[in-house]
Amino acid sequence: DGGITQSPKYLFRKEGQNVTLSCEQNLNHDAMYWYRQDPGQGLRLIYYSQIVNDFQKGDIAEGYSVSREKKESFPLTVTSAQKNPTAFYLCASSMGFGYGYTFGSGTRLTVV
Amino acid sequence: QQQVKQSPQSLIVQKGGIPIINCAYENTAFDYFPWYQQFPGKGPALLIAIRPDVSEKKEGRFTISFNKSAKQFSLHIMDSQPGDSATYFCAASMLGAQKLVFGQGTRLTINP
Repeated sequence: DGGITQSPKYLFRKEGQNVTLSCEQNLNHDAMYWYRQDPGQGLRLIYYSQIVNDFQKGDIAEGYSVSREKKESFPLTVTSAQKNPTAFYLCASSMGFGYGYTFGSGTRLTVV
Repeated sequence: QQQVKQSPQSLIVQKGGIPIINCAYENTAFDYFPWYQQFPGKGPALLIAIRPDVSEKKEGRFTISFNKSAKQFSLHIMDSQPGDSATYFCAASMLGAQKLVFGQGTRLTINP
């Protein structure tokens, strides 16, 4: 079955450490996105990529980095520069305009 | 102009009632309006979507009503069930854009 796989489901990080969240899709979608969701809050865009080797900052990119070396993969690194990283992180992909997004099941990151 | 304003923030309805969630936008270039349903700890899932050339679209118990002149669209859930309890997000996009603009979400509770 086609879909988006995010791993791990839960992640714990010590303050000052970088951590990388995985996102893989087998939908053959060109566009991929990373969102952050805080409890009871909406979706805030971190980064997005429309094609391989190209990506753009979203609304809250500070303290995060991404890469898009393969069409299927769009990993997100939460760096130590991110002051409040504890959140639910969602990856999504899209075929393009008019098709909507397919979301992964999310990674819950907790800083301990 | 890129915002989508969603209301109410939370909504409690008795089983069998018809919850209505409203969204308003300013950018008249928007021409794709999806709704997403998110259960706790899961990623959002596309529920139903509409384009402005129609005023209403139904899929099962879910209906989108669209008022182009008022720049508003709404989600109605007929014969609501406790299993419909979730957070609902409206969104909007425009031709050529690769990003959706999301509303802030509505937490819906259907009481038995």
